[in-house]
Amino acid sequence: EAQVTQNPRYLITVTGKKLTVTCSQNMNHEYMSWYRQDPGLGLRQIYYSMNVEVTDKGDVPEGYKVSRKEKRNFPLILESPSPNQTSLYFCASTRIASAGASDTEAFFGQGTRLTVV
Amino acid sequence: AQTVTQSQPEMSVQEAETVTLSCTYDTSESDYYLFWYKQPPSRQMILVIRQEAYKQQNATENRFSVNFQKAAKSFSLKISDSQLGDAAMYFCAYRSAWHDMRFGAGTRLTVKP
Repeated sequence: EAQVTQNPRYLITVTGKKLTVTCSQNMNHEYMSWYRQDPGLGLRQIYYSMNVEVTDKGDVPEGYKVSRKEKRNFPLILESPSPNQTSLYFCASTRIASAGASDTEAFFGQGTRLTVV
Repeated sequence: AQTVTQSQPEMSVQEAETVTLSCTYDTSESDYYLFWYKQPPSRQMILVIRQEAYKQQNATENRFSVNFQKAAKSFSLKISDSQLGDAAMYFCAYRSAWHDMRFGAGTRLTVKP
């Protein structure tokens, strides 16, 4: 089954304690991205990756890090979490279509509800 | 930068009736894609319908259809014969040819029995 898997689904942590949210996809997609969802703001992109070892900042990258050492995995790292990073996080992956091919949808993980106290 | 605006934070519809959710976007690009995603209480993001900007014909998926007005930069979602299971948060999304994706703030749809 094609899917994007995020772990954990729920996490409560304390300010300053480093954490990693994992994301893995089994569709061999080139493009992966992280979003945070906050009430009234929709989903905002944190970081994205066009392929292995290629990452770039999205709209709200402050306080986050990512890495893409393997095509299937794209972990989100919070080195020193703060309460303003309390949010719902989504990982997504997309196939980069070749020229002339129909484009494809973004596949989302189940979401990670993070609370920083 | 591209922006997506959903001007209706909440909408309500009677079961079996029709409802339209609004979405406008701002872009200078000519090649892009538009989507509507549904987010039920389970939080899962579910693709409802998509539209390629180069296609003039409006997309339809069963009870879901869009009204795509490229010149007006408008992309509304019409849900016909609304069902209780349609109750959810709906997000309009814009994606550039470079896969950069922008979402609206969402519209929470309530379906009344």
